[in-house]
Amino acid sequence: ETGVTQTPRHLVMGMTNKKSLKCEQHLGHNAMYWYKQSAKKPLELMFVYNFKEQTENNSVPSRFSPECPNSSHLFLHLHTLQPEDSALYLCASSQGRFNQPQHFGDGTRLSIL
Amino acid sequence: QKEVEQNSGPLSVPEGAIASLNCTYSDRGSQSFFWYRQYSGKSPELIMFIYSNGDKEDGRFTAQLNKASQYVSLLIRDSQPSDSATYLCAVQGSGNTGKLIFGQGTTLQVKP
Repeated sequence: ETGVTQTPRHLVMGMTNKKSLKCEQHLGHNAMYWYKQSAKKPLELMFVYNFKEQTENNSVPSRFSPECPNSSHLFLHLHTLQPEDSALYLCASSQGRFNQPQHFGDGTRLSIL
Repeated sequence: QKEVEQNSGPLSVPEGAIASLNCTYSDRGSQSFFWYRQYSGKSPELIMFIYSNGDKEDGRFTAQLNKASQYVSLLIRDSQPSDSATYLCAVQGSGNTGKLIFGQGTTLQVKP
């Protein structure tokens, strides 16, 4: 059982659709992260939030829009995605940003038609 | 030069042997080092973390850190077929964002 829950687990969408990914952590952590994992590439950090404030945007295209309403919830809003955006999107959380292990959710497998 | 480098493998070891997984990193100011295990189709699972030079042991796993050589390793003793997975090395750099940089992972195969 994971303390970080992601929904949906799988998502298929067209390039003109708008959808959102949701992440919820039950660990009492204050930092949350979005990562992208593509085939045969290292995990790639997208966004970092610390106490609801965004502290890192790793040059992510604007078609990905994060939202963090509180320390337990994180969303990734998607619109006008491209086929190369098909990947596993992972949410993680940690107690703090520094010297703390990050715990991952099960991910959302996203396929863009 | 990649920020965090791992040999992609596969590394194949017989059951009961010691598996040695290696990772090098480029940021000399890095402070924290993590090893994750990822089974096919699953999310990364934290195995160990290490902050100080030397060895840290947890059950069958030992993490080794040498900051002077910018090298971190993971040893798995008495390897089991269930240890077959991809092992990801992650390094927290010297910046102020808490960003983790991941290597591409080493695939380990433990053969019965």
